[in-house]
Amino acid sequence: DIQMTQSPSSLSASVGDRVTITCRASQAISNALAWLQQRPGKAPKSLIYDASSLLSGVPSRFSGSGSGTDFTLTISNLQPEDFGTYYCLQYTAYPRTYGQGTKVEI
Amino acid sequence: EVQLVESGGDLVQPGGSLRLSCEASGFTFSTYDMHWVRQPPGKGLEWLSTIGGRGDSTYYAAAVNGRFTISRDNSENTLYLQMDSLRAEDSAIYYCVGPWIWGQGTLVTVSS
Repeated sequence: DIQMTQSPSSLSASVGDRVTITCRASQAISNALAWLQQRPGKAPKSLIYDASSLLSGVPSRFSGSGSGTDFTLTISNLQPEDFGTYYCLQYTAYPRTYGQGTKVEI
Repeated sequence: EVQLVESGGDLVQPGGSLRLSCEASGFTFSTYDMHWVRQPPGKGLEWLSTIGGRGDSTYYAAAVNGRFTISRDNSENTLYLQMDSLRAEDSAIYYCVGPWIWGQGTLVTVSS
């Protein structure tokens, strides 16, 4: 199975900050990576697919980059509604695997 | 509006069975792979199963292979998860996931 490792596990940031979350795959996955956001008590929401493609309706302050084994989610100009937990997901092979999550506290 | 609505979650005894449903709307259901993902309370996300658009290909996580069965009815725009031989560790919120869309989840609790 492909292991997905996120860092950091948690972070605290202020409104307006630029936040970066990384996800490392245990083997190359091309660009088959998605980023999800989960606010407390809510279902996850998909933000980015194919490592860098923003889904419709997702604010442009979210961006993704990377290919192969190393990927990054960047939130520029952090907003209060951005708090929650962020997960990466690889979908190049079964079983699909998620990172352990990164909790973002404002 | 694109939407996924799960139902069927309940309290069930260990060894019991449960069938989850997920009704899709707002997109051409039959053209997309569909997935089930679960999340135990306070923990991370775990992929469980995927079914192809025509229902002729299925994939399972090792933790549920042989106990859970994914299926779909494209005429009813509905995805199913049949869960048998349930264990305490199957307790979780179960999410239906479509083309980058998530349902609201349904809670399954396995306890005596």
